[in-house]
Amino acid sequence: DAGVTQSPTHLIKTRGQHVTLRCSPISGHKSVSWYQQVLGQGPQFIFQYYEKEERGRGNFPDRFSARQFPNYSSELNVNALLLGDSALYLCASITRGMRTSGRDEQFFGPGTRLTVL
Amino acid sequence: AQRVTQPEKLLSVFKGAPVELKCNYSYSGSPELFWYVQYSRQRLQLLLRHISRESIKGFTADLNKGETSFHLKKPFAQEEDSAMYYCALVGAGNMLTFGGGTRLMVKP
Repeated sequence: DAGVTQSPTHLIKTRGQHVTLRCSPISGHKSVSWYQQVLGQGPQFIFQYYEKEERGRGNFPDRFSARQFPNYSSELNVNALLLGDSALYLCASITRGMRTSGRDEQFFGPGTRLTVL
Repeated sequence: AQRVTQPEKLLSVFKGAPVELKCNYSYSGSPELFWYVQYSRQRLQLLLRHISRESIKGFTADLNKGETSFHLKKPFAQEEDSAMYYCALVGAGNMLTFGGGTRLMVKP
């Protein structure tokens, strides 16, 4: 099992463009979460999906959207990119996921490094 | 609102010295707290969670609701403990809220 996979590894975009990031969870996991990690800070929660439905949303503008597919993989979309969107975007695969609890474990992917110029 | 604060960006200790990484939280309900670790060139991974009351790699953490703290401790630091440590909290809305992280450097 390769664990959580994310693609691409690195991405460079210019302001105003759109980006799509992809995540494949661990086999058998039905829930994923997305995080943004700006350099020097801890990860910030963006979204959680369980069984293709949004189960949680962080304090991010509507330019950020996501979806989960029937095979439980997920995409994070960011429109109208700003310089401040430059960050490492992490995806986590969750053991249960209907509701994140102390009994769940989140397994993180390697992240996608997005640079907006 | 839920918030996690790690007051130290960097903690440097010598091998064999005790380590305490501080974590304070703000949450109105009953929090569920975690410590995550990221070793160099590796993924972020769970170190321990408060409900398990376990010791992992010699690390322990006790939830103190009175002081709203969840400090991570190890009596004798090892060089391989050098890493980035994040305290995190799960509260409402399935949100896992992370602190800003503390870089632990264990010197030989």
